[in-house]
Amino acid sequence: NAGVTQTPKFRVLKTGQSMTLLCAQDMNHEYMYWYRQDPGMGLRLIHYSVGEGTTAKGEVPDGYNVSRLKKQNFLLGLESAAPSQTSVYFCASSQSYEQFFGPGTRLTVL
Amino acid sequence: GDSVTQMEGPVTLSEEAFLTINCTYTATGYPSLFWYVQYPGEGLQLLLKATKADDKGSNKGFEATYRKETTSFHLEKGSVQVSDSAVYFCALSAGGNNRLAFGKGNQVVVIP
Repeated sequence: NAGVTQTPKFRVLKTGQSMTLLCAQDMNHEYMYWYRQDPGMGLRLIHYSVGEGTTAKGEVPDGYNVSRLKKQNFLLGLESAAPSQTSVYFCASSQSYEQFFGPGTRLTVL
Repeated sequence: GDSVTQMEGPVTLSEEAFLTINCTYTATGYPSLFWYVQYPGEGLQLLLKATKADDKGSNKGFEATYRKETTSFHLEKGSVQVSDSAVYFCALSAGGNNRLAFGKGNQVVVIP
């Protein structure tokens, strides 16, 4: 039972490049979330999903897109990376208010 | 909107000292309240929770009481260990769809 996994763990991009972060959960949870964590800012919600095929905007959605084609996977895309998107990205899943987090992806945009 | 405020700055203390981290909240309705902990290099994990006023959540020696009159949910531990060094986040249920609003977190460093 792996819980929530994220790939990759680390990534360095150049400005303007694109990439996709993958989140997978094996707990059959309906809800999934993408957050970013920045020093002094806590966790901010980027996008979330309430079930397969659904997505919704969170607090800081600009510059990101998401997809939830399968219940167990939630993808976060950056179409044209910017230095302001340098951050640690966390995925979480839940069936209630207790959220289960992945180990994070550290992304640097040069 | 609903929000959580945590005390500013890191907390450094010696092993076996008493730990308090303050958390206050602003919310409409009656939110559930949580403390999450993030150990170095890891994601967040739930430490404890309380779902209604006067409830006390507890786990691993940590406690927090849901105080509606002071809109607070302060985290306490009577005797910290080096292994308690981590970042602690206060959170509340906000906006439906099981969403949480997080405070900015407090780094706790315990010195042997």
